[in-house]
Amino acid sequence: DTGVSQDPRHKITKRGQNVTFRCDPISEHNRLYWYRQTLGQGPEFLTYFQNEAQLEKSRLLSDRFSAERPKGSFSTLEIQRTEQGDSAMYLCASSPTLDRFQWETQYFGPGTRLLVL
Amino acid sequence: AQRVTQPEKLLSVFKGAPVELKCNYSYSGSPELFWYVQYSRQRLQLLLRHISRESIKGFTADLNKGETSFHLKKPFAQEEDSAMYYCAFTPTGNTPLVFGKGTRLSVIA
Repeated sequence: DTGVSQDPRHKITKRGQNVTFRCDPISEHNRLYWYRQTLGQGPEFLTYFQNEAQLEKSRLLSDRFSAERPKGSFSTLEIQRTEQGDSAMYLCASSPTLDRFQWETQYFGPGTRLLVL
Repeated sequence: AQRVTQPEKLLSVFKGAPVELKCNYSYSGSPELFWYVQYSRQRLQLLLRHISRESIKGFTADLNKGETSFHLKKPFAQEEDSAMYYCAFTPTGNTPLVFGKGTRLSVIA
């Protein structure tokens, strides 16, 4: 499978613990996005990278959330001191900067479902 | 604020009936619009995009700038069309997507 992969697929943690999720984009995709999806809602944008540069992080939900893409390949999303409200599906997507129509098509991973007890 | 509205949470139609999933967006410029679909137990995937003007799996969508709408249509629904459909847009095509809340389409045999 050469699609976007995410690990773990499921995570149960206790309130106050730190969690880290990993996303491996499609090879050679230079853009990588993180979204959060809660029940009954569409995906909500969190942050994105062009190669290793984080282009937008103001939408991260609080300073407990941080993301990295140190070598411009895989990315990690960390949530510190988790709260029950952080329970959600965390989605990763990647895209080439340009496709034949010169607009982006984002390819999504399967998501990581987080449950904070 | 940039926003996408999908007014129907659930839409049920009979097989062979026409389908229209509504989408309205809030943006004064010329956005790029998309429909994404998520079938049961599968990941979110692109169904179609405004700029390509394609018909995918019999679905089409027309951008109406006057009504700021991008409704998804199919003349004859099939059972395999049952899924969650999300409308999304990006103001420039070069920024992150803004998604609607989604509409669950259920096609009844």
